[in-house]
Parts: sequence; C-alpha cells; structure tokens
Amino acid sequence: NAGVTQTPKFQVLKTGQSMTLQCAQDMNHEYMSWYRQDPGMGLRLIHYSVGAGITDQGEVPNGYNVSRSTTEDFPLRLLSAAPSQTSVYFCASSLHSGRASTDTQYFGPGTRLTVL
Amino acid sequence: GESVGLHLPTLSVQEGDNSIINCAYSNSASDYFIWYKQESGKGPQFIIDIRSNMDKRQGQRVTVLLNKTVKHLSLQIAATQPGDSAVYFCAESVFGSARQLTFGSGTQLTVLP
Repeated sequence: NAGVTQTPKFQVLKTGQSMTLQCAQDMNHEYMSWYRQDPGMGLRLIHYSVGAGITDQGEVPNGYNVSRSTTEDFPLRLLSAAPSQTSVYFCASSLHSGRASTDTQYFGPGTRLTVL
Repeated sequence: GESVGLHLPTLSVQEGDNSIINCAYSNSASDYFIWYKQESGKGPQFIIDIRSNMDKRQGQRVTVLLNKTVKHLSLQIAATQPGDSAVYFCAESVFGSARQLTFGSGTQLTVLP
C-alpha cells in the first residue's frame, strides 16, 4: 500500500485565493489529522478526525476547513489564503482514534505552501 | 497553554558515539509520549513511544527514558550513524495514544565523521 499521500507537493497562492490540500491513506485508518510546521518549530495540530463524518478542531484551526466523507480521504481547505498560512502542511493517520494503548501515527511527505 | 520544549536546539556527535536528546514537558496530565525523526524535506517518522506508566522503553539502538517527577523525556541513540542526522521531535498526548499530539520545537542532530 502507498501509506499516506499528499498532493500537491508545492503550491504558491496569492492572498485571498482558495485551495484544497489533498490527503489520502490506504491503511483503513480511523484517525487522520492535519498539522502545519513553521520554520524552526514543531508541528501544530490544525484539525483532526476520529472517523468518517467526524471532525474536530486542533490547536490552530482558524482559516482552515476540513471534511471526512470517507475513511480514506481528509482534505484541508483554505477558503481565503493569507501570508500567515505560508507553511509546510503534513497529514497523518493512525489506526485507532485513541482507544489503542499505543498507536503509531504515519505522516505524509508534506505540502509546501507559499502565500504571496 | 501547556507546551513541550527541548533543552538543546542542536547537537553534534561523532559517528559511533551515543547521542542523548532531551525534552521537557509541562503538562502533568500527558500520558503518552513519542519521539519522531524528521529528515530534510520529509514528514516525521516514528521512532519510539512510551506511556506514562513506564520509565524506560528500548527499541533497536534507541532508548526512551521518562522521568515524570521532573517532567523530562530523553532519547538515547546508541552507536550514532550518519543516517541518524535529522531533526528529532518529542510529542505528548493526554489521550494515551497518538491523538492530538503537542510537539516540541525539535533538536537538530548532526553526526560528524
């Protein structure tokens, strides 16, 4: 299987434009999440989903929307891009949504977004 | 808010030596901790995890130590190799699993020949 895939790898937007970052996993994982990583910093949680049809906000949700219509896909939408959203975005998934005693989280390769 | 931080932003070690990367956490409710390795241009890669009911856990060439008294986590890498050069992050969760992780800012490990 391919694991966690993200598209596109790179994207440049102008302020005010909208776009969707795609994330898919083929491991039948329940839990999926989106993080952003700014230079010299750790990852910060944007949104997460514990299963199809269920999403919730993380630490930095403002300016982003998500949906989880299928187990496999978890797209992240920027409705009106701002320069502050310039970052590297990582999608991750894990098998269980907190019920397992320990649970490995797999990360995608990332999308590098620049907002001008 | 609660945060996870690292004592040393950079660490250089000689190839073959042991490496120790430290992490301080402030949320006493955290019960699950993970170490990730991130190579340039890639996503974080799971290394090892530990639950709060344990003090030590060993993997292949890696050991994680947890000191709940002082809220300190460390990653020990034995016989460090050039391929170990990367940024290492600790992360914590209050949910007992890799859910809603809070990440530290990272330590850059450089292995010298």
